[in-house]
Amino acid sequence: DTAVSQTPKYLVTQMGNDKSIKCEQNLGHDTMYWYKQDSKKFLKIMFSYNNKELIINETVPNRFSPKSPDKAHLNLHINSLELGDSAVYFCASSQGNQPQHFGDGTRLSIL
Amino acid sequence: GEDVEQSLFLSVREGDSSVINCTYTDSSSTYLYWYKQEPGAGLQLLTYIFSNMDMKQDQRLTVLLNKKDKHLSLRIADTQTGDSAIYFCAEMPNGQNFVFGPGTRLSVLP
Repeated sequence: DTAVSQTPKYLVTQMGNDKSIKCEQNLGHDTMYWYKQDSKKFLKIMFSYNNKELIINETVPNRFSPKSPDKAHLNLHINSLELGDSAVYFCASSQGNQPQHFGDGTRLSIL
Repeated sequence: GEDVEQSLFLSVREGDSSVINCTYTDSSSTYLYWYKQEPGAGLQLLTYIFSNMDMKQDQRLTVLLNKKDKHLSLRIADTQTGDSAIYFCAEMPNGQNFVFGPGTRLSVLP
């Protein structure tokens, strides 16, 4: 009965590879998000996706692309991974201005 | 602009009260939120307060909101070692995206 689930939990890969992280929510929420948490634990919004409207944080490189096959899923695809992409990536969802519910995070390590 | 600030570190002794402070700049948020992140885990919603309220109490947690000064605090009574975590303050200006503070790392000493 997990509300927001992300896979994989850990991802270790080499520089230059392309990878995807999946996120699913079973809360019926209309908005989903991707955040990046760096080594200092600072949280930065990357994307929000609501009813097919994508809002992008302008600081996010275009190597990152969200893909939403339906309202319950928002996957994150990353091309040409770089060392600086190493971080924990969190998916979240919400309805209106109600609190966001977070997944457990995907720990991405670039070798 | 949108900005949420918190002090980065707080240490307290077990059994004492902890007070974590937060200041924000945008007064349009309907709610203000506190999240807790334990090591290796995701963010867990602790509590939130409607912007027209001054105080909200939930068991050991007390949230105080001073809207005039744009100051939010979280008080944890009888702090336990299990309360050691990072606490994030957040607002949602204009009903748009959440803006999180940098997080306060609470260490509870025996």
